[in-house]
Amino acid sequence: GEDVEQSLFLSVREGDSSVINCTYTDSSSTYLYWYKQEPGAGLQLLTYIFSNMDMKQDQRLTVLLNKKDKHLSLRIADTQTGDSAIYFCAENLYNQGGKLIFGQGTELSVKP
Amino acid sequence: DVKVTQSSRYLVKRTGEKVFLECVQDMDHENMFWYRQDPGLGLRLIYFSYDVKMKEKGDIPEGYSVSREKKERFSLILESASTNQTSMYLCASLRATNEKLFFGSGTQLSVL
Repeated sequence: GEDVEQSLFLSVREGDSSVINCTYTDSSSTYLYWYKQEPGAGLQLLTYIFSNMDMKQDQRLTVLLNKKDKHLSLRIADTQTGDSAIYFCAENLYNQGGKLIFGQGTELSVKP
Repeated sequence: DVKVTQSSRYLVKRTGEKVFLECVQDMDHENMFWYRQDPGLGLRLIYFSYDVKMKEKGDIPEGYSVSREKKERFSLILESASTNQTSMYLCASLRATNEKLFFGSGTQLSVL
């Protein structure tokens, strides 16, 4: 079945770059998403990439997609303490009515 | 901006009680989803709905049912709550299959 995998924790120092990795299994996915969840809040869409793209940049965020390896990464440049949150990778199952399958979430801790 | 509203932020119920979790969206979205979020497991899909009176089982439907009598409202029902249903429940809506998913703030349900 479909599966999305992420490592559970990442700790970085303020000002460093963070790279959060994700692998997925369904090659029919059309969109891949990164959601951010701050403590006590719901999920907010951070960025997304269409499956025919290799890279997308949005200010401090860079998304890289390797379709051959089914690997997605989110790089946050100049990480700030306000970036501390849980980051979820998700794939869109187009042939199942847009159902999203989420990874377990990576808890990013930014130390001053 | 799209708003997805969940009726309760925190809920405490007793084992065996019938529990209703309500979700309302204000943007005329066709698709609505119920997920539960547990530490280390990410978000798991319980049920989703493409349209009024339509419902589809997600990955973990056991112990749950849903109701979609009106387009804007999608209710999750726990017929007889059990302690293993203690979790954060997130509702989401989506206009079309390749667009972003909007989430509510979540309901933290504790079953004692």
